[in-house]
Amino acid sequence: AQSVTQLDSQVPVFEEAPVELRCNYSSSVSVYLFWYVQYPNQGLQLLLKYLSGSTLVKGINGFEAEFNKSQTSFHLRKPSVHISDTAEYFCAVSPVGGGATNKLIFGTGTLLAVQP
Amino acid sequence: GAGVSQTPSNKVTEKGKYVELRCDPISGHTALYWYRQSLGQGPEFLIYFQGTGAADDSGLPNDRFFAVRPEGSVSTLKIQRTERGDSAVYLCASSLTPGLAVNEQFFGPGTRLTVL
Repeated sequence: AQSVTQLDSQVPVFEEAPVELRCNYSSSVSVYLFWYVQYPNQGLQLLLKYLSGSTLVKGINGFEAEFNKSQTSFHLRKPSVHISDTAEYFCAVSPVGGGATNKLIFGTGTLLAVQP
Repeated sequence: GAGVSQTPSNKVTEKGKYVELRCDPISGHTALYWYRQSLGQGPEFLIYFQGTGAADDSGLPNDRFFAVRPEGSVSTLKIQRTERGDSAVYLCASSLTPGLAVNEQFFGPGTRLTVL
């Protein structure tokens, strides 16, 4: 079984400051890793994903994440946030070869609150 | 093109009633997923369809929940004898056939179900 932990339920940050949203996972098999963003009253949108290869992954809107297998982490970072980045961010995993289901197992989410 | 749509956007019902939630996936997407997002939680996998068949229904909480996709496109999630604990946002997602690659799941805006 897999599980995802997002320890920070809310991260307040000032505009133009850097931010890191933490994600750790547990799995007995290899996993694919994802970050999704949910803006108010909108559906989940994929920010970035790690399937294989380079452990540093770049996504949309200037976000990037680094896969660390030894620490089972996939932290999300952005060097300078904007007010428009205010949203709920979800980390998710999907087991590799999981019967080709590709179902996602999500963390509980982190609310990024960007203040002017 | 059009994204994933879900109807209704909001549904209020009384305990014990039957409800149906509808999902229209992106045209051409053969994979369809249902997730449930309870307040303060991340989305939780319910069921996965590949074409018309439910390839993985391991996330359905009990036999009051059932989903169909008779023509391999639109899907309906059915909940019998609703309970207050069923109150949540029900999310639908679709993707191209997973195959050997992990295809992005595109999410709809969700149906907010409230059981009084």
